[in-house]
Amino acid sequence: GEDVEQSLFLSVREGDSSVINCTYTDSSSTYLYWYKQEPGAGLQLLTYIFSNMDMKQDQRLTVLLNKKDKHLSLRIADTQTGDSAIYFCAEPRYSGGGADGLTFGKGTHLIIQP
Amino acid sequence: DAGVTQSPTHLIKTRGQHVTLRCSPISGHKSVSWYQQVLGQGPQFIFQYYEKEERGRGNFPDRFSARQFPNYSSELNVNALLLGDSALYLCASSVQVDGYTFGSGTRLTVV
Repeated sequence: GEDVEQSLFLSVREGDSSVINCTYTDSSSTYLYWYKQEPGAGLQLLTYIFSNMDMKQDQRLTVLLNKKDKHLSLRIADTQTGDSAIYFCAEPRYSGGGADGLTFGKGTHLIIQP
Repeated sequence: DAGVTQSPTHLIKTRGQHVTLRCSPISGHKSVSWYQQVLGQGPQFIFQYYEKEERGRGNFPDRFSARQFPNYSSELNVNALLLGDSALYLCASSVQVDGYTFGSGTRLTVV
């Protein structure tokens, strides 16, 4: 199948760390992506990781990749109210001519409690 | 430098009508792809065009078509609109076929 799986909701307290998990499907994916979508808006690329990396850190964001289990996670340190959004995990989709688009999960709603 | 621009931002159409959505990629980007995002779901891939050629097509009926122009801008056309076509339509551009930057989308409501 082509389903990228994510939990639908995550609730954290302001200042805590948030960890959003994703299971992807294609072991040959060269890149894996995290996108953020705020209400009524388009998609903002947060970060991506090459498949030959286990970890990538970018300021408050840490991406962990477990290729054996096809598991990707996004950790947001010191979560703020502005982090409240839907977070999508995405992997490339491949056809005969190579990568031709992205397959997205259903998204994880990150809810911040004061 | 302008990002990916889509027009119109909002649109209301009646069942059975047809609609054309437009996308201008980031300058220098030759690949454009289209996605449909129904409320509460992740975006679903519709088409990708690279250098004016269709590179990929998702699982959408023939009522959906697209094209890319010599300046790399693109149009998505949907014929015989159904209520279920109501969604946010997103366009993304990239230099090659990865590294996608998305526009803010066109919200289509079919009544």
